[in-house]
Amino acid sequence: GAGVSQSPSNKVTEKGKDVELRCDPISGHTALYWYRQSLGQGLEFLIYFQGNSAPDKSGLPSDRFSAERTGGSVSTLTIQRTQQEDSAVYLCASSQTDRNSPLHFGNGTRLTVT
Amino acid sequence: GQQVMQIPQYQHVQEGEDFTTYCNSSTTLSNIQWYKQRPGGHPVFLIQLVKSGEVKKQKRLTFQFGEAKKNSSLHITATQTTDVGTYFCAGPGSYIPTFGRGTSLIVHP
Repeated sequence: GAGVSQSPSNKVTEKGKDVELRCDPISGHTALYWYRQSLGQGLEFLIYFQGNSAPDKSGLPSDRFSAERTGGSVSTLTIQRTQQEDSAVYLCASSQTDRNSPLHFGNGTRLTVT
Repeated sequence: GQQVMQIPQYQHVQEGEDFTTYCNSSTTLSNIQWYKQRPGGHPVFLIQLVKSGEVKKQKRLTFQFGEAKKNSSLHITATQTTDVGTYFCAGPGSYIPTFGRGTSLIVHP
């Protein structure tokens, strides 16, 4: 079946603008994660969704960041009033359950804030 | 919380040489996963280790899980240019996978 799909693949935006990043997980995967990866750096956890439970937002760097997951499937990560330090690749991953299941990553969205 | 450290951060090798990356956790792990990220790509799951002292092989790659389940290693025998990329280990965390910072392997032909 299809893998994790993310859109757009690239996004260039001006400082201060809002952006929305979309993630379509693998069908049937209940767990969905957002990570951020800056150039040459590791994976920074942002937010986690599991089924219909309240999301774990503990990794969100500021209140400009928010995410939702509709119908237990598609997720949207929104960054308001973007700053240059938000420039990074935003990776979405899904898994069948959670901590013991492998993560399947999408190709990511490369965000550049000018 | 759980912390996962990986060393080295970078490793340059000549094609044909061996390569090893090490992963250490501050806490005992129920399992450990390894991922590979090619340049410009996304992390791809390689393997999961669960048992104390477990050793698994995938062609030229050998994965080990320590007896105390607090460390792991990935060894590549006779590296090839196709092995280039960043290798990440990940512990399960409380319920959110915790990734090491990765080891970037550069293979010189």
